[in-house]
Amino acid sequence: GAVVSQHPSRVICKSGTSVKIECRSLDFQATTMFWYRQFPKQSLMLMATSNEGSKATYEQGVEKDKFLINHASLTLSTLTVTSAHPEDSSFYICSAGDRGREETQYFGPGTRLLVL
Amino acid sequence: AQSVTQPDIHITVSEGASLELRCNYSYGATPYLFWYVQSPGQGLQLLLKYFSGDTLVQGIKGFEAEFKRSQSSFNLRKPSVHWSDAAEYFCAVGSPGSNYKLTFGKGTLLTVNP
Repeated sequence: GAVVSQHPSRVICKSGTSVKIECRSLDFQATTMFWYRQFPKQSLMLMATSNEGSKATYEQGVEKDKFLINHASLTLSTLTVTSAHPEDSSFYICSAGDRGREETQYFGPGTRLLVL
Repeated sequence: AQSVTQPDIHITVSEGASLELRCNYSYGATPYLFWYVQSPGQGLQLLLKYFSGDTLVQGIKGFEAEFKRSQSSFNLRKPSVHWSDAAEYFCAVGSPGSNYKLTFGKGTLLTVNP
């Protein structure tokens, strides 16, 4: 149980385009989902916290107009990187909190974004 | 504010040897403590967690961790390492009522020699 999926697993796009990444909790309801960014050989950097039905809370330094987050249902959150540039290339990981369990985050497999 | 320190950036052990990965945290009360493992190019998998009760916690893949309040530590152990255990290990701390939010350590990369 507590499976989280991400789609796509890998995406290559041209500079200036927008990219949407989906995060789904497959077998549980997630009132809270998180979006992280991870640079090579580094730890996870929390970008934002999204709660179902409300606006996301962004960490300091993260541009909310650049990284649009939508958490429209208890099983789906999306991250849209708008007008992507090469510096946005990174590994993006989502996680979800299972409302039926103690406060534990379950992680998706990640999405590798490469902006050319 | 809570924080997590993983003192060892990189550890190398031989297959079959025992393993201990260190984790120290800073938090005013009893925290929620987690160990996650990440294989290259993958997301994080939960190994084990401590919320309360027995301070020795058993996890998946033969891992265990012990919460020591006096030392503010939550070290991860495994008696005999397998080559497939080579990965990055992250310790994380959460707090009651934090709405699942975690603070992660910088990670320890484990290399296993044959």
